[in-house]
Amino acid sequence: GAVVSQHPSRVICKSGTSVKIECRSLDFQATTMFWYRQFPKQSLMLMATSNEGSKATYEQGVEKDKFLINHASLTLSTLTVTSAHPEDSSFYICSANNGEWDNEQFFGPGTRLTVL
Amino acid sequence: AQKITQTQPGMFVQEKEAVTLDCTYDTSDPSYGLFWYKQPSSGEMIFLIYQGSYDQQNATEGRYSLNFQKARKSANLVISASQLGDSAMYFCAMRLYNQGGKLIFGQGTELSVKP
Repeated sequence: GAVVSQHPSRVICKSGTSVKIECRSLDFQATTMFWYRQFPKQSLMLMATSNEGSKATYEQGVEKDKFLINHASLTLSTLTVTSAHPEDSSFYICSANNGEWDNEQFFGPGTRLTVL
Repeated sequence: AQKITQTQPGMFVQEKEAVTLDCTYDTSDPSYGLFWYKQPSSGEMIFLIYQGSYDQQNATEGRYSLNFQKARKSANLVISASQLGDSAMYFCAMRLYNQGGKLIFGQGTELSVKP
């Protein structure tokens, strides 16, 4: 199956700093990527849909200015958590689609963010 | 509104027995896809099985089968011959084709396989 990578896998930062998380499709072109957040023992909550070359579509309740998403190429989308606070600590997972919608959505391994 | 519901927060099953994980969904769209993913403690999302809304037959993938009852809007996952390695969180998800193909998830079921 197709491979999606995320970097970093784990990050610890101080409150008030910004953190960038990268999501890459390694062996396919992803016109659409999705960003999810998952708190412990909870489900994946969709944050935004990222389309290459256009602005991301955010889900209701997700702050656009806090979670900046850029999808500059067909293989890379980035999520920047700006001015991070302890409540932003979570597991962030990206996923990508290779254009075949009647098929699995490929997920990255996730990034665990801890804000001190 | 589109919604996925998993009503079993936790399930136990004896090794080598079969187990059914429940999933119901709600959508007014005629075209949708239903997925099951497994998430072990490492956090990775492992694809298990897919069922399209127009598929006539229930999907099967090895020990996994999806009991698709369209009229009841249910898509239960059946795992046969449970193994210790099946212990994990299981998520049911629905793809919304008229909303950019995004995937929305149910609350999840934590499955524990007993030796």
